[in-house]
Amino acid sequence: AQSVTQPDIHITVSEGASLELRCNYSYGATPYLFWYVQSPGQGLQLLLKYFSGDTLVQGIKGFEAEFKRSQSSFNLRKPSVHWSDAAEYFCAVGGLDNFNKFYFGSGTKLNVKP
Amino acid sequence: DTEVTQTPKHLVMGMTNKKSLKCEQHMGHRAMYWYKQKAKKPPELMFVYSYEKLSINESVPSRFSPECPNSSLLNLHLHALQPEDSALYLCASSQDRGEQFFGPGTRLTVL
Repeated sequence: AQSVTQPDIHITVSEGASLELRCNYSYGATPYLFWYVQSPGQGLQLLLKYFSGDTLVQGIKGFEAEFKRSQSSFNLRKPSVHWSDAAEYFCAVGGLDNFNKFYFGSGTKLNVKP
Repeated sequence: DTEVTQTPKHLVMGMTNKKSLKCEQHMGHRAMYWYKQKAKKPPELMFVYSYEKLSINESVPSRFSPECPNSSLLNLHLHALQPEDSALYLCASSQDRGEQFFGPGTRLTVL
């Protein structure tokens, strides 16, 4: 079955520590891959995207993600977390049909300890 | 202009009311989307418009009625809603198979 999995529902890290959020997908072809961030009661903001080419992509706010085809993964990383990074993070896949329907993971809630 | 705007920001309505949500984008995107998002859940696709035509309806109840008057504007008409319809309603737009740009959402409360 087609799916996007974010195995971690909640993650808590200390400010200044590194961060990795996991995302795995299960689709026949390599989809387009996205990470979005959402603050409470707000819309989704795109952090970064992967379509093809270099498997390490840089995004906004110091985030990066690495596409690993062999593991069907697209994990999000940040070397040093800031308190303002506390939010909900969603991994999404798209580009699989003519209407660009997105499939979202269940999300990972990031808490940042001072 | 890379912004999707949504009005109103908040809406409270009774179960017998009729109201509308509005979404606007001026990026020339040809696909526009309505999502419903409950707390602590990912967005759930409701409708997709492509080139101003309704292309996907994810079995949404008829009390939700979408409308796309032109390529920049998307409405969601609401009638006889239920309390369980209370949620954050998000609009998004995209060009071809690229990223979707999301608006800030409308927080809907049905009493």
